Amino acid sequence: DAGVIQSPRHEVTEMGQEVTLRCKPISGHNSLFWYRQTMMRGLELLIYFNNNVPIDDSGMPEDRFSAKMPNASFSTLKIQPSEPRDSAVYFCASSLILGRAEAFFGQGTRLTVV
Amino acid sequence: DQQVKQNSPSLSVQEGRISILNCDYTNSMFDYFLWYKKYPAEGPTFLISISSIKDKNEDGRFTVFLNKSAKHLSLHIVPSQPGDSAVYFCAALRGSYDKVIFGPGTSLSVIP
Repeated sequence: DAGVIQSPRHEVTEMGQEVTLRCKPISGHNSLFWYRQTMMRGLELLIYFNNNVPIDDSGMPEDRFSAKMPNASFSTLKIQPSEPRDSAVYFCASSLILGRAEAFFGQGTRLTVV
Repeated sequence: DQQVKQNSPSLSVQEGRISILNCDYTNSMFDYFLWYKKYPAEGPTFLISISSIKDKNEDGRFTVFLNKSAKHLSLHIVPSQPGDSAVYFCAALRGSYDKVIFGPGTSLSVIP
């Protein structure tokens, strides 16, 4: 398996634009997580899904952020409109089940909003 | 309010010596803990875990110690190698199906 695949690897966009980050989890994994890494806050959990259903989105910072998982092999994280403070590395991870199972992370998307 | 804390942002250790990375947590309901390692431009990878029913778990050069009364855990790397230079994240969760909460990370540099 190729692991968790995220695209794009890098994204530079202007403030106010819509940004869509994409993730393909490992086949057979039932849980998917979106994290954001910043210097100040480390790795923050934004939202996670189990069997394609959003379970907890309490980490999503604002209504400008939304995430979907239309099927077991694809998820998106959208920011609309984007702001400079959204600049960070966004990671997608998947695991076989929720909880104690090891999570496998993608390589991340480095987002820069100018 | 951070529930998982790693108070040392960085640590430098000589090759061959012991590296000790510390982690404190505030939520007494946490009962499972994990360590992840992250190299630059890569995602974190799982390293080792420990359940609250244990106070020690060992895997090769890596040992995690858990002190529940102090709400403290530590990761020991012996002997440290230059390839261990990375950011180490401590993580915790409650129960079997809860979300994992990560600490801010500690950057370890192992000097040859």
